[in-house]
Amino acid sequence: DAGITQSPRHKVTETGTPVTLRCHQTENHRYMYWYRQDPGHGLRLIHYSYGVKDTDKGEVSDGYSVSRSKTEDFLLTLESATSSQTSVYFCAIRQDTGTSGHQETQYFGPGTRLLVL
Amino acid sequence: KNQVEQSPQSLIILEGKNCTLQCNYTVSPFSNLRWYKQDTGRGPVSLTIMTFSENTKSNGRYTATLDADTKQSSLHITASQLSDSASYICVVSANTGFQKLVFGTGTRLLVSP
Repeated sequence: DAGITQSPRHKVTETGTPVTLRCHQTENHRYMYWYRQDPGHGLRLIHYSYGVKDTDKGEVSDGYSVSRSKTEDFLLTLESATSSQTSVYFCAIRQDTGTSGHQETQYFGPGTRLLVL
Repeated sequence: KNQVEQSPQSLIILEGKNCTLQCNYTVSPFSNLRWYKQDTGRGPVSLTIMTFSENTKSNGRYTATLDADTKQSSLHITASQLSDSASYICVVSANTGFQKLVFGTGTRLLVSP
């Protein structure tokens, strides 16, 4: 599991409330990612980080913000949760497995199941 | 548009039988292709990764093939076991500097006793 934990694992919240999900890694990886997974869709990138305080948007970033103040922690915040943000959220890290630069692999955390009522 | 399409969407096979899952992609410029296994309620786990110069890669009973000319890949599972029941996701990486991954929607495999 590449030392990735996510918290909480399950959460139920109400529309309009802020929610923060945490991803923690123990192996000092530089790149970290947040995805969401919904039925009928492949995993979709929300935000990613390439170092402490260095983050950028993915393809579905609206309504989400992130922060990375330490290498090991990458936080995802839903500023005002909506029902459309009900989903399973996965954190991932990138690990280079070869010398060519073409063999990097992403390892995923166990996921957080979020229900917004 | 970068896309990854997988077929079939779902599949039921008897324990001990073989099966093949398909993946077609239109991602460019191509960097590598991976197959992930995702058990229910868990995160995806990498099975194989292939670059453009590799046309086959094995991991135990899993064998992936890649045809970069036709932009097709397959995942063959030999002598299936109940524990193979999972979703199998094809993921293609675009060589854009930033590692952009394009995910398929997966094939849900059920191995029946």
